[in-house]
Amino acid sequence: DAGVIQSPRHEVTEMGQEVTLRCKPISGHDYLFWYRQTMMRGLELLIYFNNNVPIDDSGMPEDRFSAKMPNASFSTLKIQPSEPRDSAVYFCASTIWDYTEAFFGQGTRLTVV
Amino acid sequence: SQQGEEDPQALSIQEGENATMNCSYKTSINNLQWYRQNSGRGLVHLILIRSNEREKHSGRLRVTLDTSKKSSSLLITASRAADTASYFCATDAASSYKLIFGSGTRLLVRP
Repeated sequence: DAGVIQSPRHEVTEMGQEVTLRCKPISGHDYLFWYRQTMMRGLELLIYFNNNVPIDDSGMPEDRFSAKMPNASFSTLKIQPSEPRDSAVYFCASTIWDYTEAFFGQGTRLTVV
Repeated sequence: SQQGEEDPQALSIQEGENATMNCSYKTSINNLQWYRQNSGRGLVHLILIRSNEREKHSGRLRVTLDTSKKSSSLLITASRAADTASYFCATDAASSYKLIFGSGTRLLVRP
């Protein structure tokens, strides 16, 4: 398996624009996590899914953020409208079942100018 | 919010020395995991220790867990320059599977 695949690797956008980040988890993994990493706040859990169903989205900063998982092999994290403070590295991770190791993608570095 | 806090925030050692990093957490857990992150890369899983285990080894890594103190330590023996990275502990809450990461320790191993 190629591992967790995220796209794009880098995204630069203007404030107010919509941004969509994509993630393909490892085949057969039941859990998918979205994290945001910044110097100030570290690695924050935004939302996680189990079998494509959102389980906990309490980490989503505000209504501008939304995440979907239409099927077992694809998830998106959307920011609309984007703001400069959304600039961060966004990671997707998956696990085969609960309480096991997480496999991370390479991340998407988002810059909002 | 972060469940775990690592200590120290940064550590600089000479190649060949041992490196010890500590993690404290707040609530009951099922497992505690350690991850490594090289600059600009994703996190890589190192080791998982279950709440009923006290010590675990993997190669040059040794992890201990003290659930009474809600703390864990990661020891890297005979460090190498290639061990330079950030190290994070991660915990899952006993009541729900939310994998929460600590603030991390930046390790620099000088050749």
